[in-house]
Amino acid sequence: DTAVSQTPKYLVTQMGNDKSIKCEQNLGHDTMYWYKQDSKKFLKIMFSYNNKELIINETVPNRFSPKSPDKAHLNLHINSLELGDSAVYFCASSQDFLNTEAFFGQGTRLTVV
Amino acid sequence: AQKVTQAQTEISVVEKEDVTLDCVYETRDTTYYLFWYKQPPSGELVFLIRRNSFDEQNEISGRYSWNFQKSTSSFNFTITASQVVDSAVYFCALVVPGGFKTIFGAGTRLFVKA
Repeated sequence: DTAVSQTPKYLVTQMGNDKSIKCEQNLGHDTMYWYKQDSKKFLKIMFSYNNKELIINETVPNRFSPKSPDKAHLNLHINSLELGDSAVYFCASSQDFLNTEAFFGQGTRLTVV
Repeated sequence: AQKVTQAQTEISVVEKEDVTLDCVYETRDTTYYLFWYKQPPSGELVFLIRRNSFDEQNEISGRYSWNFQKSTSSFNFTITASQVVDSAVYFCALVVPGGFKTIFGAGTRLFVKA
């Protein structure tokens, strides 16, 4: 019973393609997040959603479009992929906006070639 | 603005040595939470500890211990008698309620050699 699950775990694609990463949490949490971890291991917030509403968009290019069809899902769609998008993307959830503890998915390693 | 600084980029120790990972945080908020996560080579983020700003008691869990000092805005992590399996990247992190994000330090890569 994985609390926060992301698919796929690995994604290799060519420049210019469009791809999606899916995230689901079965914890009944209200708040979900996407984080990006670059090649130097820096982890940074990209988006935060609370009750399906976008709360934070942390200067992410508009090629990245998160979609939250319901509170349990937060998918990340990326258009026109670029080499610099190669990274590990982590989905996370927390019970509410207080975010006293975030639960992280296993990460999706995206490689753009 | 909030910030987390982990000044040690990499640390290398020999098995059974003790090692301390430093973390300094910045926030003007009086209520906040501090975390440590472990990221082993397999890549997942493993939660280690959460400490709220009103609880300055140190914590010990097996070989792991944490020293939280508000006076110096530090939340240091010590591994006693390190083991090869402790080799990982360790992240210190800060959450301010209502901030809708976790702010991570840059991470400290720990190598434990047999």
